[in-house]
Amino acid sequence: ETGVTQSPTHLIKTRGQQVTLRCSSQSGHNTVSWYQQALGQGPQFIFQYYREEENGRGNFPPRFSGLQFPNYSSELNVNALELDDSALYLCASSPGLAAYNEQFFGPGTRLTVL
Amino acid sequence: AQSVAQPEDQVNVAEGNPLTVKCTYSVSGNPYLFWYVQYPNRGLQFLLKYITGDNLVKGSYGFEAEFNKSQTSFHLKKPSALVSDSALYFCAVNMNRDDKIIFGKGTRLHILP
Repeated sequence: ETGVTQSPTHLIKTRGQQVTLRCSSQSGHNTVSWYQQALGQGPQFIFQYYREEENGRGNFPPRFSGLQFPNYSSELNVNALELDDSALYLCASSPGLAAYNEQFFGPGTRLTVL
Repeated sequence: AQSVAQPEDQVNVAEGNPLTVKCTYSVSGNPYLFWYVQYPNRGLQFLLKYITGDNLVKGSYGFEAEFNKSQTSFHLKKPSALVSDSALYFCAVNMNRDDKIIFGKGTRLHILP
């Protein structure tokens, strides 16, 4: 059984640029959630995808967008990067939408915006 | 609005002593409660969860947590701490709404040898 993987591990961008982060969900999981974890803070929910459709979104602007593919892998896209977007971006998969399901997290992508 | 509070930024415990990491929540309705652990430069790992039933739930690595509805708390406990338990611990609540799972800000647990 393969766990959740994310790429790249680290990324450095400048303000105004665009970035795409990728996530492969754990085998058998059809639900993927994305989180932003700023330094010294807990993860903040960005959005969730279930069977290629967005299913819930946190308090993030529209320049944060995503996709889920038929194999349940997912992308997080951030346009017009701002300095405050610097954070660890975590992807998590789960076997369905039920709120009682625990989530399986990837190692994260560390994004630095200069 | 639902929220999760972890009142201690850091907890220091001597190896072999019992440990408690505190968590309180504020939600309307019946929440699902979780504890996750994060090691340096790693993603979060699931420890345990409360769904319903017995207020004492047992999880990975000898950890357990007690759900107290009247005090709206879900404290994480372990009878005997190990140095390897040193990590960042997050409490989380899920109400199955659009804002999905809400995490506390985390508590750094430091086990002293």
